[in-house]
Amino acid sequence: LAKTTQPISMDSYEGQEVNITCSHNNIATNDYITWYQQFPSQGPRFIIQGYKTKVTNEVASLFIPADRKSSTLSLPRVSLSDTAVYYCLVGGDTGGFKTIFGAGTRLFVKA
Amino acid sequence: KAGVTQTPRYLIKTRGQQVTLSCSPISGHRSVSWYQQTPGQGLQFLFEYFSETQRNKGNFPGRFSGRQFSNSRSEMNVSTLELGDSALYLCASSLEEFSYGYTFGSGTRLTVV
Repeated sequence: LAKTTQPISMDSYEGQEVNITCSHNNIATNDYITWYQQFPSQGPRFIIQGYKTKVTNEVASLFIPADRKSSTLSLPRVSLSDTAVYYCLVGGDTGGFKTIFGAGTRLFVKA
Repeated sequence: KAGVTQTPRYLIKTRGQQVTLSCSPISGHRSVSWYQQTPGQGLQFLFEYFSETQRNKGNFPGRFSGRQFSNSRSEMNVSTLELGDSALYLCASSLEEFSYGYTFGSGTRLTVV
């Protein structure tokens, strides 16, 4: 399972766009990149998943360069309620894997 | 549709006791995974079950065990509780065995005193 590296924390202000980058240098060919959001005392919530290029849904965008060694989660116009921990996971659909959550990125949105 | 349901929500136990936590996955989901979350160690994978079989196991001592029933509901058990077992225990379910589209429950907060 590919090891991921994310910034430990980030600060932002309401209304700004936030970009959180995740490094995954040893990503395998069949690995997908998935991001989760977690609020205190709750389980992580699936945000977005992608394989290459760009994926967009109603809450976020995921940018993946051609070499796939990194990915960037983009949150447009954050609000105070986006204050949470964001986890980047990289893995494939092959057998024997274990889901490993890193330390995540603690995003703090200020008014 | 109903989400992943974990019971109980909160639990206080004494050192040396054992505890059983329950997880009901989303209807139709056949894979259930368990995680331990502590401030110091973050989210750590415990084990994953699919069709009543344990598919993967994390690096936890044998005091941690689990099982999955034919209706996909799962339980995890921790025997001989230690203070360090105090944590938020999270259950996640997914449709298939190997999937990153997990849906998590709200967890069981276990406090060992």
